[in-house]
Amino acid sequence: NAGVTQTPKFQVLKTGQSMTLQCAQDMNHNSMYWYRQDPGMGLRLIYYSASEGTTDKGEVPNGYNVSRLNKREFSLRLESAAPSQTSVYFCASSGWTDYNEKLFFGSGTQLSVL
Amino acid sequence: AQTVTQSQPEMSVQEAETVTLSCTYDTSENNYYLFWYKQPPSRQMILVIRQEAYKQQNATENRFSVNFQKAAKSFSLKISDSQLGDTAMYFCAFMNYGGATNKLIFGTGTLLAVQP
Repeated sequence: NAGVTQTPKFQVLKTGQSMTLQCAQDMNHNSMYWYRQDPGMGLRLIYYSASEGTTDKGEVPNGYNVSRLNKREFSLRLESAAPSQTSVYFCASSGWTDYNEKLFFGSGTQLSVL
Repeated sequence: AQTVTQSQPEMSVQEAETVTLSCTYDTSENNYYLFWYKQPPSRQMILVIRQEAYKQQNATENRFSVNFQKAAKSFSLKISDSQLGDTAMYFCAFMNYGGATNKLIFGTGTLLAVQP
């Protein structure tokens, strides 16, 4: 089925460790996004990519880096994880589908930093 | 910058009754979409309903309808005949369109509990 595939689903890190969250979409969308979800704060935009080769900061970019490897893939990297980065992370992509702009979400990654 | 405000952190409704979730937003743009997303305990983000700002008619999807008041920048969600499966977190969201990238901005959410 078409959609957004996000891995891993769960991850536990120690403070200072690094990791990369992977995201891929097969809908030929130009735009891709990374959000984090924290209790009482909704979903906040970390980074987004309007097209292959471009990335821009969102509301909460500090402590993260991203790579738009190609049109399909958009990865999020934590270079030195901190407890404040404990959160649920969502990847999303958007494009023009059935005459409407539509946003599709991955299933989320629960990240705990100890 | 656009902002989305949901002033009801939690709400409760009896099964089969009607409930309205509130949302206000702030923008200087004229071209935008508004959305309501549902997030059940499975964590999946599910699109409930969308509204184009240029449309005066309120969007409706089965038991879900919106009251879109553009001048007041208000976008409430009405759920009729509430069902136990409607229990979830509900997010209001705003997306400007027409630019290079259409970012989706979320409110903080309303946790809805449907009681049997």
